[in-house]
Formats: sequence, C-alpha cells, structure tokens
Amino acid sequence: NAGVTQTPKFQVLKTGQSMTLQCAQDMNHNSMYWYRQDPGMGLRLIYYSASEGTTDKGEVPNGYNVSRLNKREFSLRLESAAPSQTSVYFCASSEPWGNTEAFFGQGTRLTVV
Amino acid sequence: QQQVKQSPQSLIVQKGGISIINCAYENTAFDYFPWYQQFPGKGPALLIAIRPDVSEKKEGRFTISFNKSAKQFSLHIMDSQPGDSATYFCAARLTGGGNKLTFGTGTQLKVEL
Repeated sequence: NAGVTQTPKFQVLKTGQSMTLQCAQDMNHNSMYWYRQDPGMGLRLIYYSASEGTTDKGEVPNGYNVSRLNKREFSLRLESAAPSQTSVYFCASSEPWGNTEAFFGQGTRLTVV
Repeated sequence: QQQVKQSPQSLIVQKGGISIINCAYENTAFDYFPWYQQFPGKGPALLIAIRPDVSEKKEGRFTISFNKSAKQFSLHIMDSQPGDSATYFCAARLTGGGNKLTFGTGTQLKVEL
C-alpha cells in the first residue's frame, strides 16, 4: 500500500524556470493538500482541494497553481520559480470531515538557484 | 502571524527521561489538535490527537495534556528512547476547515543514551 506518492524527490531549478510537482494517493481520500516546510516555520498550507473538482488557496499561495486532475492526483505548479520557493514540499491526503488522519508523502526537496 | 506557537525549538533528553513540548493557540475556533512526528527525510506522521472537550489523552508512552481555558496543550513522552529522536509538530484544525491544519514551528528532540 503506497499511501501518498510524490515525484520527484529532489529538484534543482534555475530562477524563472517552471516545473510541476506530482502527487498521487491510493487511499480513496476526498481531500488533498500541498504544504511547504521551511526551517523554523513549520509546515504552511499552500493550496488544498476539499474534493475532486475544487481547489482553494491556503496560507501561502502566491507563485503557485494547482490542479486536481482526478480523485487520486493533485499537482502543484511553479510557473516562474524564485529562490524564495526553495523549500521541502509535502503533499497530504485525508477525508475532509471528522477527526481523521492526514497522510503525508515523503516530500520533494526543491532548490531554486 | 503564527497561530500556533510551539516551544522549545530543540530539546535534549536523557534516555528514560520525560520529554515535554508545549503549544499555545489563540483562535478558539480550532476544534482538533494532532501531534505529528517527523524523521529525517520522511513526511510527518500522526502520533496522537485530542479534541478540546478532553483534558488528557494517553497512548502508550505518549500523552497529550489539554488546557482549554489557557488555550495550551502539551505532549509528554515518558521513558524517552533514542528511537524517539525526531522533529515533533503540534497542529490545530479550524472548525469546518475541511481538515486543513495549522502547524507549530516544530521541536527537534534528541534522546541521548
């Protein structure tokens, strides 16, 4: 049982380049999330999707776009990468109601130079 | 602003000792308070969680104490073991928030032999 799978695991981008981070879950969860983790900042929500076909901004959405491709997949796109987007990105999934656990992927370590 | 404040930033405990991590929040609309454990190179994983109508929850060596009036909650790890060395995040979820989590800044715990 894979849980939440993120690709790639590592990526180096030049300033201004674009890329898409991929995330897929096999737990049939309705909700999916993208967080970024920075030293001393904890995890901060970038975007989330409460259910297939819906997306909404989180705490730090600027510079990012998302696509909920289907129930399993939720991608995060950086259109023009900036050094401030150097971070570790985590995708998570859960049910949107009740005291349910959010399951996280292994993360994507992104460096923008 | 940081809606969930976590302390200390780092903690060193001797094997067999008690590790205590504290969190405080301001927003009374939070209705669910999980703790996540993260090992290097891995995504966070749910450790234990509590609702605000309960003052304490214990699972094995891990206990959450919750003080609703003070808007504070803490994680106690009894008989700390080297395998507990990890980063711990407290989190809080807004009522009706679709399981979106606001995280504390994290505590890096090291348990020494």
